[in-house]
Amino acid sequence: GDSVTQMEGPVTLSEEAFLTINCTYTATGYPSLFWYVQYPGEGLQLLLKATKADDKGSNKGFEATYRKETTSFHLEKGSVQVSDSAVYFCALSQGGSEKLVFGKGTKLTVNP
Amino acid sequence: GAGVSQSPSNKVTEKGKDVELRCDPISGHTALYWYRQSLGQGLEFLIYFQGNSAPDKSGLPSDRFSAERTGGSVSTLTIQRTQQEDSAVYLCASSPTGFFTDTQYFGPGTRLTVL
Repeated sequence: GDSVTQMEGPVTLSEEAFLTINCTYTATGYPSLFWYVQYPGEGLQLLLKATKADDKGSNKGFEATYRKETTSFHLEKGSVQVSDSAVYFCALSQGGSEKLVFGKGTKLTVNP
Repeated sequence: GAGVSQSPSNKVTEKGKDVELRCDPISGHTALYWYRQSLGQGLEFLIYFQGNSAPDKSGLPSDRFSAERTGGSVSTLTIQRTQQEDSAVYLCASSPTGFFTDTQYFGPGTRLTVL
C-alpha cells in the first residue's frame, strides 16, 4: 500500500540555521503531497501542499518540491526561528482513496 | 469562519465502558474523516464520510469501533467496550469536496484515556 517515510529526528537547530526534513513516498498512482505542522498544544494544520509533479508548495518561508523521479517531497527553510519549533508531518493522498497517509513526524526544536 | 470542533476535549473512562466522540465539521464541507494519533502508531486513518455515507471504513481497528454522520454534518465516533490500547487522541478533519487534492482541516482532537 501507499506509505510515507520521513526522517524522524528529533532535529535541534540554532536560530537562523538552514532546515531540511527529508520525505519520500511510495504510491501506485500520482498522489497529492502535503506537509502538516503541529505546534505545541495546538492541532494539526496545513503548512503547504503540491498536487502534481514539479509543483512547489510554499508558506511561511518553507518550501517543498514534488519530485516524481525521486518520489520525494523534502521540506526546506533557509532560516529557522524559535517559533518554528513544532512537529512536522509529511503526508500523501491518492485519488480513489482520499485519506491522508502520514509519515511518523519529525520534531524540530529551534534554540535562540 | 468557524473551524472543525470536537467534543469532549478530554475523556477519561474505565476499561469496558462505551464512549462517544463528536465532530462538527466546517459548514459546507461534504467530506469528513476520523484519524487516531498515538505515540506508538503515529497518525492513523480510521474512516471517511462523503455526505452521510462511509465509502472507506478500512481503518477501523475492530468491530468495537463505529461511526455515523447525520444530515451531512455532525459525526459521532463510538467505541464500545473500551480497552487500554484505545487510549489516543482522536482527530476529526473535514474537506470541501473529498477530492484527493483538497486540504483537510483538522479539529483540536479528543484525548481519550482508558484506565
